[in-house]
Amino acid sequence: SAVISQKPSRDICQRGTSLTIQCQVDSQVTMMFWYRQQPGQSLTLIATANQGSEATYESGFVIDKFPISRPNLTFSTLTVSNMSPEDSSIYLCSVEDRAGPYEQYFGPGTRLTVT
Amino acid sequence: GNSVTQMEGPVTLSEEAFLTINCTYTATGYPSLFWYVQYPGEGLQLLLKATKADDKGSNKGFEATYRKETTSFHLEKGSVQVSDSAVYFCALSAGNQFYFGTGTSLTVIP
Repeated sequence: SAVISQKPSRDICQRGTSLTIQCQVDSQVTMMFWYRQQPGQSLTLIATANQGSEATYESGFVIDKFPISRPNLTFSTLTVSNMSPEDSSIYLCSVEDRAGPYEQYFGPGTRLTVT
Repeated sequence: GNSVTQMEGPVTLSEEAFLTINCTYTATGYPSLFWYVQYPGEGLQLLLKATKADDKGSNKGFEATYRKETTSFHLEKGSVQVSDSAVYFCALSAGNQFYFGTGTSLTVIP
C-alpha cells in the first residue's frame, strides 16, 4: 500500500486568494486523483492527474479554478484559485494500487475554510 | 451506469450493539467493492474489500459479503465500540473510476 502525505493539513484563507495543496506519495504511481468533500457530504472527483499530461477534469470543475500540476511520479499539487466560502471543503488526494485488486489509497486531507 | 446507494444516517448505537449499514450497487461488469472509514478530522482509510461474488471482506471485527444476486455489500459488526464512531463509505471500482456512497455517520455511546 502507498503512504500519502498532504500539506497543509488545514488552512483558513481569505476570499479571493488562492491556496496550493501538495500531495506526496512514497512510491511511484501513474495516476493520482483529487477529490473534494464538502461538509457532511460524500467525495466528488475533481480531476485525474497523470504524469506528463494535462489533468482530466470532471464535469463541473475547470482548470482555471483548480489548476493541477504533476511534475513527477510521486508528487502533485492542486490549487484552489480565487476562493469563495463555497470552496470550504476537505480536499483529498488519492492514488490507485494496480499491484493487486484495484483500490485507492487516500491522503489525510486538507481542511480548507474560506472566510 | 455505475452507482452506490448507502443507508442514510446518522446511526446511534450503544456500545456492544450489533451494527448493519446497508449498501447496494448498480454496475456494469464485475466491480470490486469497498468500505472506507473516515474518523473525525482524518482522511479515508480502507476498511475492507471484496473483489468477486461471494467474497467476504473482514477487518477489525467488521465484515461485508459481496452478494451479486442482491447487488449488495452490507457492512456488519457484532459488537461496536466507542472507537468505531466515524463515517463509513461504501464504494465500488469499475474501470478507472471509483464511485462512493453518500456516507453513513455512526456514533457509539458508552
